[in-house]
Amino acid sequence: TAGITQAPTSQILAAGRSMTLRCTQDMRHNAMYWYRQDLGLGLRLIHYSNTAGTTGKGEVPDGYSVSRANTDDFPLTLASAVPSQTSVYFCATSSGGLGEQFFGPGTRLTVL
Amino acid sequence: KQEVTQIPAALSVPEGENLVLNCSFTDSAIYNLQWFRQDPGKGLTSLLLIQSSQREQTSGRLNASLDKSSGRSTLYIAASQPGDSATYLCAVNTGTASKLTFGTGTRLQVTL
Repeated sequence: TAGITQAPTSQILAAGRSMTLRCTQDMRHNAMYWYRQDLGLGLRLIHYSNTAGTTGKGEVPDGYSVSRANTDDFPLTLASAVPSQTSVYFCATSSGGLGEQFFGPGTRLTVL
Repeated sequence: KQEVTQIPAALSVPEGENLVLNCSFTDSAIYNLQWFRQDPGKGLTSLLLIQSSQREQTSGRLNASLDKSSGRSTLYIAASQPGDSATYLCAVNTGTASKLTFGTGTRLQVTL
């Protein structure tokens, strides 16, 4: 069982370019999340989705957008990347909004 | 605003020692608390989830306790092994936007 997959594993991106980070789960969990992890700041929530068709803003949503067309996929898009978006991005899922959260392996993004 | 603190930031112990990791949070109105481990360059692995109505949870050599009224949780690791070396993160779920608020972690090294 794959659980949660994220792609790409890592990426170097020029500032101003757009990029979509992919997240796919096979656990049929309703809720999905995107976090970023930065040294000294810990993990912070970017966007979340409690169920397919709905999304919400987390703590640091500016510069990012998400969609949730189906249960399994939750892509994160950077429309015009900036160096401050250099980070490690983690996708997570849970069966419900208050359930145990499970994390994917992460995407390391560098914006130059 | 919920704040989560983990002390110490780093800890080194000899193999076989029992140890306690600490987590404190400022707002006691939580739904649950989750402990994770993170290996270098990897994603987060869920260790234990404690609901707000519970006092403790156990999994193998791990025991997590929760004192919601005082805003504290501890993770007890019995008979530590070199394979336990990792960063341990605690996170609280306040139910707001399904967000987990994370501490910055305790980096544990278990030496031979």
